[in-house]
Amino acid sequence: SYVLTQPPSVSVAPGETATVACGGDNIGENTVHWYQQKPGQAPVLVIYYDGDRPSGIPERFSGSTSGDTATLTISTVEAGDEADYYCQVWDTARDHYVFGTGTKVTVL
Amino acid sequence: QLQVQESGPGLVKPSETLSLTCSVSGASVSSSDFYWGWIRQSPGKGLEWIAKIFFRGVTYYNPSLQSRVTMSVDTAKNRYSLSLKSVTAADTALYFCAINTAARPGHFHLWGQGSLVIVSS
Repeated sequence: SYVLTQPPSVSVAPGETATVACGGDNIGENTVHWYQQKPGQAPVLVIYYDGDRPSGIPERFSGSTSGDTATLTISTVEAGDEADYYCQVWDTARDHYVFGTGTKVTVL
Repeated sequence: QLQVQESGPGLVKPSETLSLTCSVSGASVSSSDFYWGWIRQSPGKGLEWIAKIFFRGVTYYNPSLQSRVTMSVDTAKNRYSLSLKSVTAADTALYFCAINTAARPGHFHLWGQGSLVIVSS
C-alpha cells in the first residue's frame, strides 16, 4: 500500500517559516492536499490540489510538490498555527485516499 | 450551507457490528454533486480513509477494510450510514463524516465533528 511519511514534529519561532515535508513514491504524480487539525477539532483543509487555498485560509499557507516530496510552507508563523498537519493524496487509479503520518507543528 | 453530523452508539462490543449515521443538511444525499464518506482517527493516531458512496449507491472502500465495511444511503431521512462488522479494539476511533465534491474529488472539503466509538466488552 502507498505510504506517506511526515516528520513527527517541527518547531518554529513566531514570525519564522515552518516547512512540513510529506514523502511518497512519485508523489508528484498524484494530487496532494493538506489539513490542519487542532486539539479536539476536526481537520480543516488548508491546501488543495498541490497549492490552492480554500477561502479563509491566509496566504501565509502555501504548498508545493517536487519529485517524491510535497511541502507545506507556513510563512510568518503565528501562535494560532500550532496544530497537527496531515498531507493526503488521491490515488486516482484506484479512487481511494491515503493520509500522511502527521506532523505536530509547535510554535516556540 | 452544507453541514454534516455524525451519530453513533459510543460503545460497541468486540466481534459485533459498528453502525454510524451521518445526517446531511443543505444538500440531498441523492445529489450527484458530492461523494459522501467516512474517515477515522484512532486515539492519538493519524487519519485513515474508510469509504465513500456516490450517486445511485456506487461505493468505494479502503482495501484494508473492504471485507468488513458497508455503506448505504437513506434518501428519505437524507443521511448515509457506515457498518463495520467484526470489530476489535483496533477499531476504537473517532469517526468523521467527510465530503468530496464530484467536480474535484481529490480532497475532503467538509468534515463533521466526529463520533467517538469505543470497542470494549
